[in-house]
Amino acid sequence: GDSVTQMEGPVTLSEEAFLTINCTYTATGYPSLFWYVQYPGEGLQLLLKATKADDKGSNKGFEATYRKETTSFHLEKGSVQVSDSAVYFCALGGGSNYKLTFGKGTLLTVNP
Amino acid sequence: GAGVSQSPRYKVAKRGQDVALRCDPISGHVSLFWYQQALGQGPEFLTYFQNEAQLDKSGLPSDRFFAERPEGSVSTLKIQRTQQEDSAVYLCASSTSGGTYEQYFGPGTRLTVT
Repeated sequence: GDSVTQMEGPVTLSEEAFLTINCTYTATGYPSLFWYVQYPGEGLQLLLKATKADDKGSNKGFEATYRKETTSFHLEKGSVQVSDSAVYFCALGGGSNYKLTFGKGTLLTVNP
Repeated sequence: GAGVSQSPRYKVAKRGQDVALRCDPISGHVSLFWYQQALGQGPEFLTYFQNEAQLDKSGLPSDRFFAERPEGSVSTLKIQRTQQEDSAVYLCASSTSGGTYEQYFGPGTRLTVT
């Protein structure tokens, strides 16, 4: 079945550091790929998505590229801020697979 | 506009009690999903409705779990004879359709079974 494996956390960075959170997936067909973010005390929010191979999703300085050849969708940001501290979830779904399959989540803490 | 709302936000139940969790999706959203999120884990799919039809209930962990959406809007997830392993956050999401459309999540109901 479908599965998502993402980098184990927690990840602790200083403000303005470069961020990478790795995500790889196993799926049948051609899923869409998503990054969701969960800020402390809040619900899950879609951060970005990509619907086909080589697409790049981007939002709020974050970006991720759908790499079919490596079955990956790594999240990157060039300069993190304290306000980026949250739990980040990689997920796949879409098309005939309407339900989302999530990774376990990666806790990011950014220190000033 | 209003997002997805869930109630109650927190629920403590004694083992063996029945609970009912409510989800109000975004108005006009056809698709509604329930997920279960255990502590430190990602959400896991429970069930999916398109309007009032429950098209997939493959993720429901046992026959103690039951979901309904009788008028194609509000949905209720019911858990009978709760067990400690049912303790989790229950998330509801809605979308304009299935597929690649964004799922909008509610804040969740944290269920603790003592």
